[in-house]
Amino acid sequence: EVHLVESGGGLVKPGGSLRLSCAASGFTFSSYTMNWLRQVPGKGLEWVSSTTGSSSYIYYGDSMKGRFTISRDNAKSSLYLQMNSLRVEDTAIYYCARDPRVGATVTRGSFDSWGQGTLVTVSS
Amino acid sequence: QSALTQPASVSGSPGQSITISCTGTSNDIGYYNFVSWYQQHPGKAPKLMIYDVNNRPSGISNRFSGSKSGNTASLTISGLQAEDEADYYCNSYTATNTVVFGGGTRLTVL
Repeated sequence: EVHLVESGGGLVKPGGSLRLSCAASGFTFSSYTMNWLRQVPGKGLEWVSSTTGSSSYIYYGDSMKGRFTISRDNAKSSLYLQMNSLRVEDTAIYYCARDPRVGATVTRGSFDSWGQGTLVTVSS
Repeated sequence: QSALTQPASVSGSPGQSITISCTGTSNDIGYYNFVSWYQQHPGKAPKLMIYDVNNRPSGISNRFSGSKSGNTASLTISGLQAEDEADYYCNSYTATNTVVFGGGTRLTVL
């Protein structure tokens, strides 16, 4: 069974940094494109970033470019999101999610497995 | 990239059918057959219900179906059940290799 567990969320001041982690199990992690998405509590979903299995192709949403960095460690079956220059509007629940297509070079929006999310609060 | 447009809410009675629309542009829904739909119950992670416009993942009821015409995609739920009450989100792949979501639709089963 696919299992994704996010961690690393918390309270951070505007302009600060935070690193999120996602531990994966139950599948061959290196074969799948992985994604970060976020959701302001009570609001809609927003795609943040994706990285292919070999990290050859990485993409970001417009509001994250230059501030967020996605990475992965296939040996540890782990996905990461380094978030710098955080803003109040980055406050959200952050989810990691798997693209179900083996060997995909770009995510096409179908995410078949999600973690439970980790809450990031940016506030002074 | 602007968000896709969904109605804020829809409602229906048990046994009825409802349709949720999702409108984008010629740079996303109108160009690619990569539209997905998600169901989200309060406090839970989203669940994939439809992918690539009209495909159901294994285990998803055939009461859920998807379609697309031009720049608008639709999710139809037939034979409404109480457990269908949830928020529904559409998304689409875009011309810039990104993914854009709709604002979400709250489905109320009367």
